[in-house]
Amino acid sequence: QKEVEQDPGPLSVPEGAIVSLNCTYSNSAFQYFMWYRQYSRKGPELLMYTYSSGNKEDGRFTAQVDKSSKYISLFIRDSQPSDSATYLCAMSDSNYQLIWGAGTKLIIKP
Amino acid sequence: ETGVTQSPTHLIKTRGQQVTLRCSSQSGHNTVSWYQQALGQGPQFIFQYYREEENGRGNFPPRFSGLQFPNYSSELNVNALELDDSALYLCASSFDPGTRSGANVLTFGAGSRLTVL
Repeated sequence: QKEVEQDPGPLSVPEGAIVSLNCTYSNSAFQYFMWYRQYSRKGPELLMYTYSSGNKEDGRFTAQVDKSSKYISLFIRDSQPSDSATYLCAMSDSNYQLIWGAGTKLIIKP
Repeated sequence: ETGVTQSPTHLIKTRGQQVTLRCSSQSGHNTVSWYQQALGQGPQFIFQYYREEENGRGNFPPRFSGLQFPNYSSELNVNALELDDSALYLCASSFDPGTRSGANVLTFGAGSRLTVL
């Protein structure tokens, strides 16, 4: 079993829909949680950064962390075709390296 | 403020050869991390350099080695290339105030895509 599990998709939704992306993890020591967006032929770009449990909102994006369930989510409201990309979750304990999910490919249909 | 730049962007090597990948970190950053991303997978941590010293290493063999220079740029060297080394190699820089923690935000370059034939 991988430390971080993420459904690879693809997830295809119509423009304007609310998108829900999720990751589960097994290491209870993780306390830093991130969501990155990666466009084709590009490096990952940080979208959201959360420490410990709780919610964080930034524009159309909301990140949720439930440490008791070892489950994190990213919600995208009013999805746009430009949101089409691969979304990667990443997490870390107090150490130096990030552990990543495999990424979910998201397609927003106009 | 310049971001993270990597070179070359693409390269093709044959099995058994050696390769050097280069990374210029973002201005103001003092830490460089290298990741390997196979097709359809998330990045895998190779190692991190902080102030020219290796600060940690993932599950990669010794033929993967690196350097960080006084200007915080970095190199990744891979010897005796194998077919499975074909991947996107990502460099990420960050600023560490000395805590060496996982709290630092990484800025990634676009990567170097290596194909081993």
